Amino acid sequence: GAGVSQSPRYKVTKRGQDVTLRCDPISSHATLYWYQQALGQGPEFLTYFNYEAQPDKSGLPSDRFSAERPEGSISTLTIQRTEQRDSAMYRCASSLVGFQETQYFGPGTRLLVL
Amino acid sequence: GQQVMQIPQYQHVQEGEDFTTYCNSSTTLSNIQWYKQRPGGHPVFLIQLVKSGEVKKQKRLTFQFGEAKKNSSLHITATQTTDVGTYFCAGPLGQGAQKLVFGQGTRLTINP
Repeated sequence: GAGVSQSPRYKVTKRGQDVTLRCDPISSHATLYWYQQALGQGPEFLTYFNYEAQPDKSGLPSDRFSAERPEGSISTLTIQRTEQRDSAMYRCASSLVGFQETQYFGPGTRLLVL
Repeated sequence: GQQVMQIPQYQHVQEGEDFTTYCNSSTTLSNIQWYKQRPGGHPVFLIQLVKSGEVKKQKRLTFQFGEAKKNSSLHITATQTTDVGTYFCAGPLGQGAQKLVFGQGTRLTINP
């Protein structure tokens, strides 16, 4: 596609529910990133994919967080048993290949856990 | 841990005044990237600096990368209301430099 898209744009859920966020990167981009951005802060790295491989999960806050990119294109970020502290903007970005390339960010999914 | 720090956190200027934000890394960076995020928007790539001492200009914006490749600055000359937003620097850090670590950003507001 022309840019990175994310859905839903807003998600309100109750504590304890599972949520899945979706990212559709730029079609030619091999590398896809997930970030968490708190209000007034910079994006914080969660994980990334090179095609379908996930070399680094070290930024995921807990084992309740998982991400997939099974066919090397669309990716999902799933948060199980959501907690109020999970409330944040979740941003996806993609680049041609690797961290040395420009990252193009999507509009983000704002998650609110009640 | 490895960090990227930015100062100031906030800056309010009169339209027409200059603005500078500074970025410092705890370790040497292979490159530094700058992003701008408008209010309610998402980060948008501005520029990447790679070489020690590099200076790049984009119209009224001047970007510098320090000689030691551990610090950088963004200077805006004669600010305009369109410059409003938060400016982030980011550098590849972590084992194998496989993580892009963002600074906390400098939020610029402008009095017209």
